[in-house]
Amino acid sequence: QVQLQESGPGLVRPSQTLSLTCTVSGDSISSGGYYWTWIRQHPGEGLEWVGYMSYSGNTYYNPSLKSRVTTSVDTSKNQFSLKLSSVIAADTAVYYCARSDSSGYHYDYWGQGTLVSVSS
Amino acid sequence: QSVLTQPPSASGTPGQRVTISCSGSSSNIGNNLVSWYQQLPGTAPKLLIYSNNQRPSGVPDRFSGSKSGTSASLAISGLQSEDEADYYCATWDDRLNGVFGGGTKLTVL
Repeated sequence: QVQLQESGPGLVRPSQTLSLTCTVSGDSISSGGYYWTWIRQHPGEGLEWVGYMSYSGNTYYNPSLKSRVTTSVDTSKNQFSLKLSSVIAADTAVYYCARSDSSGYHYDYWGQGTLVSVSS
Repeated sequence: QSVLTQPPSASGTPGQRVTISCSGSSSNIGNNLVSWYQQLPGTAPKLLIYSNNQRPSGVPDRFSGSKSGTSASLAISGLQSEDEADYYCATWDDRLNGVFGGGTKLTVL
């Protein structure tokens, strides 16, 4: 059974960098064939796609966030990460990591989500 | 403002059939596969339908999906109280990359 678990600070100061890690179990990131995805949900609102990357390093980001987003993979730890720079209050959200299949069209496994608040 | 338009709310009584629509354009739904997600209160979304009309293992056949042109629909038959949740459609947009609908809150009366 594939499981994903987000981890990282729950509070980030404005203008700082939000850093989250997703630990994958039950599957190997290095096996290829999947896109490792970040999706966020502002409080009380809908889902917003942040971006995803393949094991080989191909990345696709939300154009509205692209200038601030960086993703990476650590195969030794079977983890992938998100960094969002220059955060503002509007970046406060529940951040989910998820796995997308090779088509990139759907997300079959999700983490439980982690709330990140941006506040001074 | 999402590029995929869903009704904000829908409702039905137990046993009824309910349909939720998702309207897009040729740059997203018209040229790409659609998926649907169910989000129960306080939980992560769960994949319900992928590739327009395919159900993952474990999803009851009461849930079905369809696509026609630039629109897609999720149908839930034999509505049950545990179906009360938020539902989201998703696809790929040729310019915006991954996109979700704004979500539909389903109430079981």
